[in-house]
Amino acid sequence: GQSLEQPSEVTAVEGAIVQINCTYQTSGFYGLSWYQQHDGGAPTFLSYNALDGLEETGRFSSFLSRSDSYGYLLLQELQMKDSASYFCSFSPPDSWGKLQFGAGTQVVVTP
Amino acid sequence: NAGVTQTPKFRVLKTGQSMTLLCAQDMNHEYMYWYRQDPGMGLRLIHYSVGEGTTAKGEVPDGYNVSRLKKQNFLLGLESAAPSQTSVYFCASSSPRGGAYEQYFGPGTRLTVT
Repeated sequence: GQSLEQPSEVTAVEGAIVQINCTYQTSGFYGLSWYQQHDGGAPTFLSYNALDGLEETGRFSSFLSRSDSYGYLLLQELQMKDSASYFCSFSPPDSWGKLQFGAGTQVVVTP
Repeated sequence: NAGVTQTPKFRVLKTGQSMTLLCAQDMNHEYMYWYRQDPGMGLRLIHYSVGEGTTAKGEVPDGYNVSRLKKQNFLLGLESAAPSQTSVYFCASSSPRGGAYEQYFGPGTRLTVT
C-alpha cells in the first residue's frame, strides 16, 4: 500500500535549524509536497519537489531522493512563528489530483 | 479574492441529525476536496471532485455524501450524524495543472456530534 512516515514532534530553539524527514512507500508518484498548519488554522502549501534535489524558498528548503523514497523539509533561522505542524504528502499512483498526507510533525520553537 | 470559504465555522449536532457543509471557491479551480482531521492526525480525504457534476470517493467516504452542481461550490452532507464524525472538516481546491499538488484550504468547520 501507500504510506508516509514522519516524526511526531521536533523541538528546537529560536535561530536553530530543524530537519523534518519524510519516508514514503508507494508504487509510483508524481512528487512530494509540504504543508504547514498552525494550531486552529488551515493547512497552507509550502513547497513541492517533482525531481530529485533541493528546492529553496526563503528560510525553508525541501529535498527529495526518489531512489531512497525519502524527502525532508529544512527550516532555517527558526522563529517563534514557525511553531506549527508540518505535513508531507504525495499523489498516489493513478490518482491524479489527489493527495495523501502523513500524520504530521509538530515543531515546537522555544526561546 | 476570498479564496476558499466554508460555512458554518462551528456546529453541534445530536446523534442522528443531518446537516450540510458548504464550500465555495472563487479561483475557478477544477478540483475540489473534502477532508477530515482528527486530533493529532493528518488529513484524510472523504470525497473529491475533478469537475462540475462529478464526484468520487476518497479514503473515508462512509456516512457522507457530496454534490458539485456548480463549479465554484462543493457540498458535504451528513445524513445521520454519529459521534465518530466529530472532527474538523476542511475543504480545498486546486488547479489540475501540475498534478494539483498545491491545494488551497478553507478555514475549516468544527463539528461536534453528541
